[in-house]
Amino acid sequence: KQEVTQIPAALSVPEGENLVLNCSFTDSAIYNLQWFRQDPGKGLTSLLLIQSSQREQTSGRLNASLDKSSGRSTLYIAASQPGDSATYLCAVRHDYGGSQGNLIFGKGTKLSVKP
Amino acid sequence: NAGVTQTPKFQVLKTGQSMTLQCAQDMNHEYMSWYRQDPGMGLRLIHYSVGAGITDQGEVPNGYNVSRSTTEDFPLRLLSAAPSQTSVYFCASRTGHPLAEQYFGPGTRLTVT
Repeated sequence: KQEVTQIPAALSVPEGENLVLNCSFTDSAIYNLQWFRQDPGKGLTSLLLIQSSQREQTSGRLNASLDKSSGRSTLYIAASQPGDSATYLCAVRHDYGGSQGNLIFGKGTKLSVKP
Repeated sequence: NAGVTQTPKFQVLKTGQSMTLQCAQDMNHEYMSWYRQDPGMGLRLIHYSVGAGITDQGEVPNGYNVSRSTTEDFPLRLLSAAPSQTSVYFCASRTGHPLAEQYFGPGTRLTVT
């Protein structure tokens, strides 16, 4: 059974720091991996989608990497800002037959960026 | 485009009541799904549909019913609400391509007393 783990569960950093959020998954048979942002009481906003054949994706100050063979992904946030404070969720689309490729989520990392 | 929409935003039910959470998308997506989000548990799949007339169970389907009569709509029915169903419910959609990005609605916060 595919399991997704995110470490750390919570992270507090001063403004301006570069930081890395980690995501690991137990089964490398995935179609893709998606990083989401969730603000308190809100829905999920897609940040980056990495296909299984890709190594990384970039959007502005965000860079996500994928090492499928080792079951790891990282989300790198450069020059963090207080507006980056949110919970970041990692989800993999697994490749199990008959499952239609549903998303399996980690429990998230709650990021707080202090001014 | 409105994307994925959900109604209501908030709902309070008494134990034993039934209700339907609405979900609609205007992107002509074949695939739609329902998740629930609970503290410390992450998001878990309830039911999903790969097209009109086709539905299947996810990880936590008990107590919920779904149908998909049109491509646009995928309602989630709570048959007899229980306090354990207090949660935030998210609807999502994507195209049928296995590499497609998934889009989420804003959520429905449900409290069962």
